[in-house]
Amino acid sequence: DTGVSQDPRHKITKRGQNVTFRCDPISEHNRLYWYRQTLGQGPEFLTYFQNEAQLEKSRLLSDRFSAERPKGSFSTLEIQRTEQGDSAMYLCASSLRQSATNEKLFFGSGTQLSVL
Amino acid sequence: DAKTTQPPSMDCAEGRAANLPCNHSTISGNEYVYWYRQIHSQGPQYIIHGLKNNETNEMASLIITEDRKSSTLILPHATLRDTAVYYCIVRVGYNYGQNFVFGPGTRLSVLP
Repeated sequence: DTGVSQDPRHKITKRGQNVTFRCDPISEHNRLYWYRQTLGQGPEFLTYFQNEAQLEKSRLLSDRFSAERPKGSFSTLEIQRTEQGDSAMYLCASSLRQSATNEKLFFGSGTQLSVL
Repeated sequence: DAKTTQPPSMDCAEGRAANLPCNHSTISGNEYVYWYRQIHSQGPQYIIHGLKNNETNEMASLIITEDRKSSTLILPHATLRDTAVYYCIVRVGYNYGQNFVFGPGTRLSVLP
């Protein structure tokens, strides 16, 4: 399978703990996005990378959240001191940017986080 | 905020065409209209996109009005597997950010 891969698929943690999610994009895709989705809502943009550079962060990305893409390939999203409001599906997407207005995102299946 | 409005839900009979509308009255000249769908417990899946001309691929057709203020996604022969939430997205500008903004979408139920 050469699609976007996310790990783990499910994560249950206690409030106050730190969690880290991993995303492996489609090979050679230079852009990588993180989204968050709560029940009944569409995905909300968190941040994106072009290669290893983090180019934009949403105001939703509080200082407890940090994302990295150190070698321009896989990415990690870490949430420190988790809160119950962090419970959501965290989606990763990748794309090959060929032009600014003709870009397709390919999504992974997401990591479902439950904070108890 | 999303720049599109869609009905929250629609039903369609299996085998019939499903026509999903989307309004994007503030679309700019260089912004594309994208459609994605999300089946339960999966990530969104790309369907089709277009600028001003109608587009067709193996999944669907996209009809964009001449003034580009609205569009319709057509699934020509809906099956039960097309039951999903369908998102219409207008790319948020050319130079400002490069992210896709999703609204709540339309929940399409294909009925047997």
